[in-house]
Amino acid sequence: QVHLVQSGAEVTNPGASVKVSCKASGYSFTGYYLHWLRQAPGQGLEWMGCIKSRSGATSYAQKFQGRVTMTRDTSISTAYMELSGLRSDDTAVYYCARDPGYTLGHPMYDLWGQGSLVTVSS
Amino acid sequence: DIQMTQSPSSLSASVGDRVTITCRASQSIYSYLNWYQQKPGKAPKLLIYGASNLQSGVPARFSGSGSGTDFTLTITSLQPEDFATYYCQQSSSTPPYTFGQGTSLEIK
Repeated sequence: QVHLVQSGAEVTNPGASVKVSCKASGYSFTGYYLHWLRQAPGQGLEWMGCIKSRSGATSYAQKFQGRVTMTRDTSISTAYMELSGLRSDDTAVYYCARDPGYTLGHPMYDLWGQGSLVTVSS
Repeated sequence: DIQMTQSPSSLSASVGDRVTITCRASQSIYSYLNWYQQKPGKAPKLLIYGASNLQSGVPARFSGSGSGTDFTLTITSLQPEDFATYYCQQSSSTPPYTFGQGTSLEIK
C-alpha cells in the first residue's frame, strides 16, 4: 500500500515558524516529485511549491518565496515543508501530494497526505 | 498567474442525474487540466488528468473534455458517494499551478 503520512496538528504564534513532515511508504521515494499545497478553512486549494525528491531541487510559488523551505531526507523517505513568519492568514490544512509523472512538467496529484492543520493564533 | 473559474459554485442534483461542471482558464492551458473530488475533512482525490484521461480506479461515470480555455467534468448517473466538492487545476508549463474555486455538489 502506498501512503503519505503527515505530522500532526500544530498551534503556533504569529511570527513563528512551523515545519510539517510527510513520510512516504510503499513506493520509491526518489522517483517522484512531491508538492505542497494548502487549504484555508472553507476555502479552495493553493499550490505552494514542490521538491524533486531525488535531487532536492525546489520550485516555490512567488507568493511564498523567502518564507518557505522544502527539504527531504531520502534515508527515511520523508519530505519537509517549513513556513516562517507565520500570520493568522496562514492558518490552513497543509497537504503533501505526489506527482505520478504521467506528463513531465505538468503535475497532477495521485497520492495525498492526510493533511496537517496549522493554526496561527496569539 | 493563470486564473481558473468554475461554474456553478454550487449545484443541487438527485441520485441518477447527469451533471456538468465547467472550468475556464484565463489563457490557453492546452489539455493540462485536472479534476479532483474532495469530501469534507478528506484530502482531494484525482479523477481526471490531461483534461480527459480517467485516473485508475475512478468509475467510468466520470468523464472530462475540453482544451484551450474551456473544460467540462461530467458525471452521469449520480451516486450517493458523488456528493462532494469538485476542483479543477491547471498544470500548464509555468507555476503556480492554480485551482478553481470549487463546485459544491449537493443532494436535492
